[in-house]
Amino acid sequence: EAQVTQNPRYLITVTGKKLTVTCSQNMNHEYMSWYRQDPGLGLRQIYYSMNVEVTDKGDVPEGYKVSRKEKRNFPLILESPSPNQTSLYFCASSSRVPNSNQPQHFGDGTRLSIL
Amino acid sequence: GNSVTQMEGPVTLSEEAFLTINCTYTATGYPSLFWYVQYPGEGLQLLLKATKADDKGSNKGFEATYRKETTSFHLEKGSVQVSDSAVYFCALSDAVRYGGSQGNLIFGKGTKLSVKP
Repeated sequence: EAQVTQNPRYLITVTGKKLTVTCSQNMNHEYMSWYRQDPGLGLRQIYYSMNVEVTDKGDVPEGYKVSRKEKRNFPLILESPSPNQTSLYFCASSSRVPNSNQPQHFGDGTRLSIL
Repeated sequence: GNSVTQMEGPVTLSEEAFLTINCTYTATGYPSLFWYVQYPGEGLQLLLKATKADDKGSNKGFEATYRKETTSFHLEKGSVQVSDSAVYFCALSDAVRYGGSQGNLIFGKGTKLSVKP
């Protein structure tokens, strides 16, 4: 079954304690992305990756890092989390075929609370 | 830059009512347009899409037509069900800018729909 898997699904932690949210896809997709979803703001892109070792900033990259060492994994790293990073996070992937009609597949989300 | 504006919710309807959720966009070039749906506690799922002007996307009784002259992609359904209760997101993808990839999406803020029995 085609899946994008995020872990953890829920996390409550404290300011300044480094955390990593993992994302893995089993569809051999080249493209992966992280979004955060906040009330009244919709989804905003944090970082994206076109392929292994190729990452780029989205609209709201401050305070986040990512890496793409393998095609299937795209972890989101918060080196020093702060309360304004409390949010619902989604990882997504899609096939990067020119003019493809393949949709973007989303994970089920990770709800982070930073105290 | 590119942007998407959709009607603010929440929208509350009775079962079998007609649904319209307005979506307009600003973009250079010829974006592809999408509607995604997010059911409670889940990630987003593609509901329908249209890749060029006058295309009509349809799925599960929902429809939306890509109107370039009005830069709109309104979502409609003739008779909603309780199971349609969800948050709906309009989105666009500037595939030309990203080398043909349809991956980079710009989302509207979402419209929450509640359908009462």
